[in-house]
Amino acid sequence: DAEITQSPRHKITETGRQVTLACHQTWNHNNMFWYRQDLGHGLRLIHYSYGVHDTNKGEVSDGYSVSRSNTEDLPLTLESAASSQTSVYFCASSESAAPYEQYFGPGTRLTVT
Amino acid sequence: GEDVEQSLFLSVREGDSSVINCTYTDSSSTYLYWYKQEPGAGLQLLTYIFSNMDMKQDQRLTVLLNKKDKHLSLRIADTQTGDSAIYFCAESDYYNTDKLIFGTGTRLQVFP
Repeated sequence: DAEITQSPRHKITETGRQVTLACHQTWNHNNMFWYRQDLGHGLRLIHYSYGVHDTNKGEVSDGYSVSRSNTEDLPLTLESAASSQTSVYFCASSESAAPYEQYFGPGTRLTVT
Repeated sequence: GEDVEQSLFLSVREGDSSVINCTYTDSSSTYLYWYKQEPGAGLQLLTYIFSNMDMKQDQRLTVLLNKKDKHLSLRIADTQTGDSAIYFCAESDYYNTDKLIFGTGTRLQVFP
C-alpha cells in the first residue's frame, strides 16, 4: 500500500544545531508540503513543492529550507534550531488534480532546548 | 490575509449530534474540506464540498456551506466516543488550488 512516512518521530536537539526531518512518500504525488502544528495556530505551511527541483515558501518559512531531488522525498532542514521551532511537524502529499486531497504523515515532534 | 477560524473546543454526550463550525475569508475558494486528527496521528480527510454545493451528506456526516456568510459546518449524527478528535476545516487557496489553508482546529470530546 502507498504511504507517507516521517523520521524521526521524536527529536530533541539543542539551540543552534542543524536538524533535518525526513519525509518519504510512495504515492508518486507531485505535490509535497511541510506544516507545523502549534496550539492555537492550527497547521501553518512552511514550504511546499510541486515537483522535482521546485520549492516554494509558505507563510512561516524563516529558518527552514527544503530541497526536492526526486519525487518521493522532501527533507526539511532547520538551519540553526531555535526554541521557537519546538513544534510538531507534518509532511503531506497530494496529486495535482481535484479535489487535491492531502495525505499526511504521522508527524515528528521536535523539541529544541 | 486569509484566515480560517474555528472554536477550539466542543463537548457532547455520546449519541447526540455534534456541530462543528468554521468561517473562512476567501469567497473564491473552490473546495472546502474537513479533516480529522486522532491523538498522535496525522490528519485524514473526512469529506470535502465543492463551492457550488450547499450541502453534502456522507453517512453520519453532513456538511453545510453558506457562501454568503462564508460559513462551513460539519454535523456528526449519533456521535460516538471514537469521534473524539481534533477537526480541521480547510479551504483551497484561490491562486494555488493545490494549497490548503487550515483552520485552528476544534477539539471534540465525547463523553458517555
